[in-house]
Order: sequence, then C-alpha cells, then structure tokens
Amino acid sequence: GENVEQHPSTLSVQEGDSAVIKCTYSDSASNYFPWYKQELGKRPQLIIDIRSNVGEKKDQRIAVTLNKTAKHFSLHITETQPEDSAVYFCAASIMNTGNQFYFGTGTSLTVIP
Amino acid sequence: NAGVTQTPKFRVLKTGQSMTLLCAQDMNHEYMYWYRQDPGMGLRLIHYSVGEGTTAKGEVPDGYNVSRLKKQNFLLGLESAAPSQTSVYFCASRSHTGDETQYFGPGTRLLVL
Repeated sequence: GENVEQHPSTLSVQEGDSAVIKCTYSDSASNYFPWYKQELGKRPQLIIDIRSNVGEKKDQRIAVTLNKTAKHFSLHITETQPEDSAVYFCAASIMNTGNQFYFGTGTSLTVIP
Repeated sequence: NAGVTQTPKFRVLKTGQSMTLLCAQDMNHEYMYWYRQDPGMGLRLIHYSVGEGTTAKGEVPDGYNVSRLKKQNFLLGLESAAPSQTSVYFCASRSHTGDETQYFGPGTRLLVL
C-alpha cells in the first residue's frame, strides 16, 4: 500500500517568514494530494490540493508543488501569521475511486508573533 | 445543511464495555470513512465504505466493526473496549463524482479506563 512520510514534525517560524512542509509518497498510482489544517480541538479542514497533472497551485499565501518523478510534494506558506499556527497534514490518494486517503503524521506549525 | 455530524462528542468507557459511534452526513456522499487520531501518528483509517451496504478494512481495523445500512449513516462499534482504543475518532465523507474533498466530522473523544 501507499506510504506517506511528512517532515518536519514541528516547525517554528517568526511572523512574516515563510514555512515549508514536505511530504513523500511511495505509490506511483496516487494522483491526488490534499493538505489539511487542524486547529487545536477542531476537525481537519482542506486548505489546498493538487492533482498529478499540475506541478504547482497557489491560493493567496498558500502554494503546493508536486514532483511526480521524485514522488514528493510540498506546502509553502508565505507571510505567516499567528493564525496559521496549527497542525498540517498531507495526504495521497487515487482520484475517482473510494480508495482511502493515506495521511502523513502531521507538522505542528507555530508562528511566533 | 449540517455536513458531517458525530455522536457522542465525548465518552468514558470501562475496559470490556461496548459502544457505538454514529456518523451522519447530509451531503448524499457515497464514500464514508472512520479514522482514529493519536498524538504523533496522524490520522489512521479504521474502516471505510464505498456505498450503502458495503464496508472495507483500513489500516487499523482490529477491535472495531462497522455498518452502513443507510447511505447517510456509518456506525463504528467497539465490542469490548480496551485502553489502547483511547483516542479521538473522526468520521469523514466524500462525493463519488468530481469533488475529491474529504469532509470531516467534529470528532468523538473516547477514554477507556
């Protein structure tokens, strides 16, 4: 089955700096890669996703890049703000099937004011 | 439109007791999932369903059973609770057409003594 690894497990940045979280996957059949943000005590919520036919996707301060050859994808947050502090999870799955999502183990991001 | 709901929100069980967690969604989603979340281990899939009347094992199915008698409901059962099942349980659902997003419920916090 798929194996998703996520690094780092914790990340602290100064407000206004950028944060980068990296994930690797093992199954070349995976073609959908979402990122979820989970605030303390809350449910995970999708913040951005990318499909394998795209190399990069941006949404305001958040961007995701995908390298299919190397089987890795990354989340980039620019101009970080205290409200970006949360746990971020990457995941991999195969589109258009009921197949499960394979999640990384999460990155706890702290933005220091 | 309530999205995905879970009951109960919190429960304390004694070892050996049984209980059922209920997940309900009003988005007419075909796919439903049960995850457990433990510190440092991300979201691990317990069981999932690709349609009414169907279920399948995920990554950590032992000690749990599920049923999907109605499309909108997905039940997770613990027949004989163990302290190792102390966790936060999240239900999620996903459409089978187009939108790949998994929508999560608010979670159930379970403590087994």
